[in-house]
Amino acid sequence: DTGVSQDPRHKITKRGQNVTFRCDPISEHNRLYWYRQTLGQGPEFLTYFQNEAQLEKSRLLSDRFSAERPKGSFSTLEIQRTEQGDSAMYLCASSSFGASTEAFFGQGTRLTVV
Amino acid sequence: AQKITQTQPGMFVQEKEAVTLDCTYDTSDQSYGLFWYKQPSSGEMIFLIYQGSYDEQNATEGRYSLNFQKARKSANLVISASQLGDSAMYFCALQYSGAGSYQLTFGKGTKLSVIP
Repeated sequence: DTGVSQDPRHKITKRGQNVTFRCDPISEHNRLYWYRQTLGQGPEFLTYFQNEAQLEKSRLLSDRFSAERPKGSFSTLEIQRTEQGDSAMYLCASSSFGASTEAFFGQGTRLTVV
Repeated sequence: AQKITQTQPGMFVQEKEAVTLDCTYDTSDQSYGLFWYKQPSSGEMIFLIYQGSYDEQNATEGRYSLNFQKARKSANLVISASQLGDSAMYFCALQYSGAGSYQLTFGKGTKLSVIP
C-alpha cells in the first residue's frame, strides 16, 4: 500500500492526558499537511511542512499542539493536556511540489476525549 | 480571506441519473485552484477533480465534470450516471497559493444519497 497511512485510527483518552498521532506520507511527496475535522464540518487546516520545515501554522493550532517532521519523512502531531473540544478527526495529507497537484489524504485518526 | 459555500446539506438522486452539487467560493486571489473530494463513511478523502482559475475549459474526469463559472464564482460538480457507491459526503475546496503552502479551504460538504 503506497497511500498515506495514519496511526492509530482511533484514540480514546481522558481529559488532561497527552496524545500523539503519526502520519506516513507517500514517500516521494515533500509536502505534508495536518487538518482537523469536526462533526458536520469540512476539514480545517492546522499546519504545513515542506520537507522537514514547518512553514505555516493555523491560528487554530494552540500552544498545546505541536507537530514535527524529522528528516522530512513521517510526521507526528502531539496534543498536550487534551480537552473535550479536541475531540475530532485528525487528517494527514501529502502532495508533491506544484500548484495544481492534489493532496492525498490518509484515513484519519479519530480522537475522543472523555 | 478564502471561503467556500456549499448550500445543499443533503441530496438524493436515483441510480443512473445525473446530479449537480453546488459550490460557490470567495477569494481575492487571481490564481487559485478548486478541488472536489469524496469522503465515504470510512473517513478517507478521495480526490475527484481539479479546476485551475486560468483553465479555459471545464475539467472532466470520467463520470465527474466541473461546471466552472468564474464570473459567478461557482464550481459545481456534476456526477453523471450515479451509482450506489457514489453515496458519500462531497467537499468542495479552494486552494490558496499565496503563502506558498497550497493549503485547502473546505466547505461544509453535501451528503449525497443514491437511491436504487
